[in-house]
Amino acid sequence: KAGVTQTPRYLIKTRGQQVTLSCSPISGHRSVSWYQQTPGQGLQFLFEYFSETQRNKGNFPGRFSGRQFSNSRSEMNVSTLELGDSALYLCASSLEAGHYYNEQFFGPGTRLTVL
Amino acid sequence: DAKTTQPNSMESNEEEPVHLPCNHSTISGTDYIHWYRQLPSQGPEYVIHGLTSNVNNRMASLAIAEDRKSSTLILHRATLRDAAVYYCILRDRDNYGQNFVFGPGTRLSVLP
Repeated sequence: KAGVTQTPRYLIKTRGQQVTLSCSPISGHRSVSWYQQTPGQGLQFLFEYFSETQRNKGNFPGRFSGRQFSNSRSEMNVSTLELGDSALYLCASSLEAGHYYNEQFFGPGTRLTVL
Repeated sequence: DAKTTQPNSMESNEEEPVHLPCNHSTISGTDYIHWYRQLPSQGPEYVIHGLTSNVNNRMASLAIAEDRKSSTLILHRATLRDAAVYYCILRDRDNYGQNFVFGPGTRLSVLP
């Protein structure tokens, strides 16, 4: 079974631009979560989608948004990029959402650099 | 949310056992203990989880204290490939709205 795939793997943008990242979950998985990882803040939860609905949201500004499609693929968008948005963005999929036993499967991440 | 604390870093020699501790003194009765690890340049991967009893799988063992206020991830024979950041996470069985909260984790170095 193919793992979680994220595109693109690397991205360079300038301040003020916007960016869209894509995530394809493991086949059959209906939940997709997004995380931001930086050296200073570590792994931080952005949001989770299940059945095309946002179920949970972390403490990030409204510039960060996402959506999920009927095939469970997900995209996240960051508008008006700031230097501090430079990070590794990780996507994780799981069969269901919110259950304590859910194992999350992570993709390799998209490395975003904002100049 | 109940929090976990782990040492920032640990070192081990190859082919020796490694015991990675995690303290969770405010754990509730419905919290499951999960461990993930993140190898260099990769996303985190699931290692093991448990509630009260010790658990074993092909990757590791999880030893849970009787009062559940601490747990230990045991790698029986460390290999160079086990060098990673290990995260101990609590997941509430009765909270369906929760997300994963990753702390700073323990960076494990394995020496040849």
